[in-house]
Amino acid sequence: AQSVAQPEDQVNVAEGNPLTVKCTYSVSGNPYLFWYVQYPNRGLQFLLKYITGDNLVKGSYGFEAEFNKSQTSFHLKKPSALVSDSALYFCAVRGLSSNTGKLIFGQGTTLQVKP
Amino acid sequence: GAGVSQSPSNKVTEKGKDVELRCDPISGHTALYWYRQRLGQGLEFLIYFQGNSAPDKSGLPSDRFSAERTGESVSTLTIQRTQQEDSAVYLCAIRQGGSDTQYFGPGTRLTVL
Repeated sequence: AQSVAQPEDQVNVAEGNPLTVKCTYSVSGNPYLFWYVQYPNRGLQFLLKYITGDNLVKGSYGFEAEFNKSQTSFHLKKPSALVSDSALYFCAVRGLSSNTGKLIFGQGTTLQVKP
Repeated sequence: GAGVSQSPSNKVTEKGKDVELRCDPISGHTALYWYRQRLGQGLEFLIYFQGNSAPDKSGLPSDRFSAERTGESVSTLTIQRTQQEDSAVYLCAIRQGGSDTQYFGPGTRLTVL
């Protein structure tokens, strides 16, 4: 069965420090991987995705993520956190066996960036 | 979201009542999805529409849930005889062209009293 795990419910970071939000996945075949961000009372906003190619993908707002096939991980990173990055982050996977493109989401990680 | 609106933004209803949630996607989208987000949880896939193909209803939690799409436009998610466990945010998403990326609407927060 396909699944996504975000092992941390919350990540706390000081402004200006690097941040990492962890994601691991389980899917048959090569995965399509996504990160979304959700601000309070807002829908999900797309940040970045990995389909193929370079393992390091860059996305919106200075975020990047590294695909690691051997560790089945797709951690979200940013070199220098901003207070405005505080939000709920979701990792999602689409298995190639899915012909509908439906996404399987992790439980979400709350990022708290303190000034 | 990028070309997806949903209404109402909030809906409070009494247990046992029926509700209709609406998704208005941008024209020309390839596929439309409904997801449910319960408090403190990730999103759960509910249903998928693409073109004239039969929808994928595999995520609907019970036969009280149904959804329709009018042509390749508006979609409505209907929940009959609502229960308290139906309380959640219901999100609509679309894909455009050959892209794998789904773009989400702002959601409808449903509260069943």
